[in-house]
Amino acid sequence: NAGVMQNPRHLVRRRGQEARLRCSPMKGHSHVYWYRQLPEEGLKFMVYLQKENIIDESGMPKERFSAEFPKEGPSILRIQQVVRGDSAAYFCASSPPPLSGANVLTFGAGSRLTVL
Amino acid sequence: GQSLEQPSEVTAVEGAIVQINCTYQTSGFYGLSWYQQHDGGAPTFLSYNALDGLEETGRFSSFLSRSDSYGYLLLQELQMKDSASYFCAVRFISSGSARQLTFGSGTQLTVLP
Repeated sequence: NAGVMQNPRHLVRRRGQEARLRCSPMKGHSHVYWYRQLPEEGLKFMVYLQKENIIDESGMPKERFSAEFPKEGPSILRIQQVVRGDSAAYFCASSPPPLSGANVLTFGAGSRLTVL
Repeated sequence: GQSLEQPSEVTAVEGAIVQINCTYQTSGFYGLSWYQQHDGGAPTFLSYNALDGLEETGRFSSFLSRSDSYGYLLLQELQMKDSASYFCAVRFISSGSARQLTFGSGTQLTVLP
């Protein structure tokens, strides 16, 4: 029973290039969340998606960042024209439909983006 | 506003008991969760308090008091492997953010031999 799979684990890009991070949710989970973590800091919410639907993107920067979760395939977090400030660990998490309870998130191992 | 506050660092020795506090400001939330993260690895779920009181899971316990806007994670019989970051998290009851978890800034626990 594979958990949340993220790839690549490490990605190096030069300023101005594009970064694509992929996330396959845990089997049976239909909801995906992306979080960003800077060194020595907490997890900052970016976006919450269901299949073919963005539920909440209130944490996404307005420019250069986009996310999708197509009907087939993994969720993709795309960062265009990367800048050094985009260097961070990007964590994906998945859950069953969040009811009024705990909404326990299962996290992937993260993708570490370094922008040179 | 809505916010979560945790101490940034806590240090304790093996075998000791340590309490990590989490205070929050919000008009409403579904419950308080705790997650553990080792060295930038995947955060993992530890516990959840929907109601006031104490929840116990082995060496770890979590407490919530809604009237005091306060919760804590209690770790007993500390082991070296407990050295990690601990995050409290809530789902705030407000339009637009009711379904996503908001995390505190984390508490780095260091367990000394």
